[in-house]
Amino acid sequence: AQSVSQHNHHVILSEAASLELGCNYSYGGTVNLFWYVQYPGQHLQLLLKYFSGDPLVKGIKGFEAEFIKSKFSFNLRKPSVQWSDTAEYFCAVRPYSSASKIIFGSGTRLSIRP
Amino acid sequence: ETGVTQSPTHLIKTRGQQVTLRCSSQSGHNTVSWYQQALGQGPQFIFQYYREEENGRGNFPPRFSGLQFPNYSSELNVNALELDDSALYLCASSRRMEGLAGDTQYFGPGTRLTVL
Repeated sequence: AQSVSQHNHHVILSEAASLELGCNYSYGGTVNLFWYVQYPGQHLQLLLKYFSGDPLVKGIKGFEAEFIKSKFSFNLRKPSVQWSDTAEYFCAVRPYSSASKIIFGSGTRLSIRP
Repeated sequence: ETGVTQSPTHLIKTRGQQVTLRCSSQSGHNTVSWYQQALGQGPQFIFQYYREEENGRGNFPPRFSGLQFPNYSSELNVNALELDDSALYLCASSRRMEGLAGDTQYFGPGTRLTVL
């Protein structure tokens, strides 16, 4: 079955630390990839997306993600986190064969110590 | 803010009842998808509506049904509510263009449903 794995359930970092959140998916075909963020009390927002082209994707607020097809991975990175990055982060995959269905991971809660 | 609105914000129902949730899509969007997000989990795809027809469905029973209206707004109906239906229900809108495989979905704030 198609699935998305986010290995870290809760990550705690200090401000200015570097961030990398892991995401792996199980699907052998072409995919679209997304990272969404949910700040406390707010709705899901799109951070960045990959459809095709350069596998290194830049998003909002200094986030970037790299698609490594051979590893079925789409890890999220930020060189220096801020307290305002405290949120829940969701990786999501849409198999190319399913134009409608997006499969989400279970999320990673990021807590930043000021 | 995405321009996707949902109503009501919160809802409390008892087991066996029926519920209708509503979603207005962002201006210019023609597709609406519904997701269920249980506490501590990622959203799970329920179904999508495009051109007023169901266009893809996740692993949810038939008592979950929907509608899309000519103005692209949508309803999610759940019959015979069960305790496990307690969750945040998210609506996402997007603009599907013919010939393209996918689109980017933008989420509303959700409706928190509690089933007692």
